Amino acid sequence: GAVVSQHPSWVICKSGTSVKIECRSLDFQATTMFWYRQFPKQSLMLMATSNEGSKATYEQGVEKDKFLINHASLTLSTLTVTSAHPEDSSFYICSAQGGVHQPQHFGDGTRLSIL
Amino acid sequence: KQEVTQIPAALSVPEGENLVLNCSFTDSAIYNLQWFRQDPGKGLTSLLLIQSSQREQTSGRLNASLDKSSGRSTLYIAASQPGDSATYLCAVRLDPTSGTYKYIFGTGTRLKVLA
Repeated sequence: GAVVSQHPSWVICKSGTSVKIECRSLDFQATTMFWYRQFPKQSLMLMATSNEGSKATYEQGVEKDKFLINHASLTLSTLTVTSAHPEDSSFYICSAQGGVHQPQHFGDGTRLSIL
Repeated sequence: KQEVTQIPAALSVPEGENLVLNCSFTDSAIYNLQWFRQDPGKGLTSLLLIQSSQREQTSGRLNASLDKSSGRSTLYIAASQPGDSATYLCAVRLDPTSGTYKYIFGTGTRLKVLA
């Protein structure tokens, strides 16, 4: 149980393109989803926290107009990287949580490469 | 500001050894602590979750302890196997009374178990 599916797993696109990443909880309802970014050989850095039906809370230094997060249902959150540039290339990982006392469950990540 | 550090950064051991990974955090006001495993290019797999009121959790060959007052947690792996090779991350969840319940991740320990 507690499976989180993230799609796509890998995307390469040209600079200036917008890219959407989906995060789905397959067998539980996720009241909260988290979006992280991970650079090579570094740990995860939280970008934003999203609760179903409300606006995401962004961490300091994360541009909310560049990284659009939508959490429209209890099983789906999306992250859209708008007008992506090479410096946005990274590994993006989502996680989902069924409740305050529950552990986070992670997707397999999306490797984004901007040319 | 909560900071999470893991020592050692990298570890290489022969198969069959018992080993200990360390995680320390600067603020003892945590809600829980979670240990994860990350394989290269993949997302995170939850290993153990310890609530702030608990002292340890066990799952198979894994045992995690928590000493909140000293800001430390250890992950003990018994009879290590080559399949245990991965990066191990600990993450502390902040106390919700601080206004947030986000996770702060440690720097990770890259483990290699030699056959």
